[in-house]
Amino acid sequence: QVQLQESGPGLVKPSETLSLTCTVSGDSVTTHYWSWIRQPAGKGLEWIGRIHNSGTTKYNSSLKSRVALSVDMSKNQLSLKMTSVTAADTAIYFCARESYNEDTLTGYYSYSMDVWGQGTTVTVSS
Amino acid sequence: SYVLTQPPSVSVAPGQTATITCGGDYIGYKSVHWYQQRPGQAPVLVVYDDSDRPSGVPERISGSNPGTTATLTISRVEVGDEADYFCQVWDASSDHPYVFGTGTKVTVL
Repeated sequence: QVQLQESGPGLVKPSETLSLTCTVSGDSVTTHYWSWIRQPAGKGLEWIGRIHNSGTTKYNSSLKSRVALSVDMSKNQLSLKMTSVTAADTAIYFCARESYNEDTLTGYYSYSMDVWGQGTTVTVSS
Repeated sequence: SYVLTQPPSVSVAPGQTATITCGGDYIGYKSVHWYQQRPGQAPVLVVYDDSDRPSGVPERISGSNPGTTATLTISRVEVGDEADYFCQVWDASSDHPYVFGTGTKVTVL
């Protein structure tokens, strides 16, 4: 059974750097793409970015300048760093495993997120 | 960037059918995935590739994407189906490939 567990400080001061970790069990971080998503209280889902252990990354263009994702294969963990945080970054942060879906007839492919962590709440406040 | 629009809320009596729509430009040409998020929990994938269900998802939950609007249908609604539901597509040509819908709150009366 694949499980993801996010961890990190629940409270971060404005202008500081947010650091989160996602520990993966039941699967290897080398086998999939992995995404980070966040959700402000009472609002929708916002994709932050994705990473593959090969080092390939892609970020939400609105966050790209402040976010860095990494993979630690030795610990089977993912990491997210977000700099210069503000109150607008207050949210629940999720990590998720991506699933590749391909239509073999058309060659069309897409990705979904088939396993999610429980999420960790981050509050930005002084 | 690509936008997916959902109705904010849907109300349904137990035993009836709930229908949740997801609209977007040329959505029929994309694969639509659906997530269920119960209060205080993480999202769970309930439909992928328009109409496929992961193992463990009941047959009462089904999806379709005939062309103009994608739809998630929950038949014989139960109290436990009360949740937020989000659609999602993959936009490979975008620098923002994951697009989530605005979300629909399903209330069981």
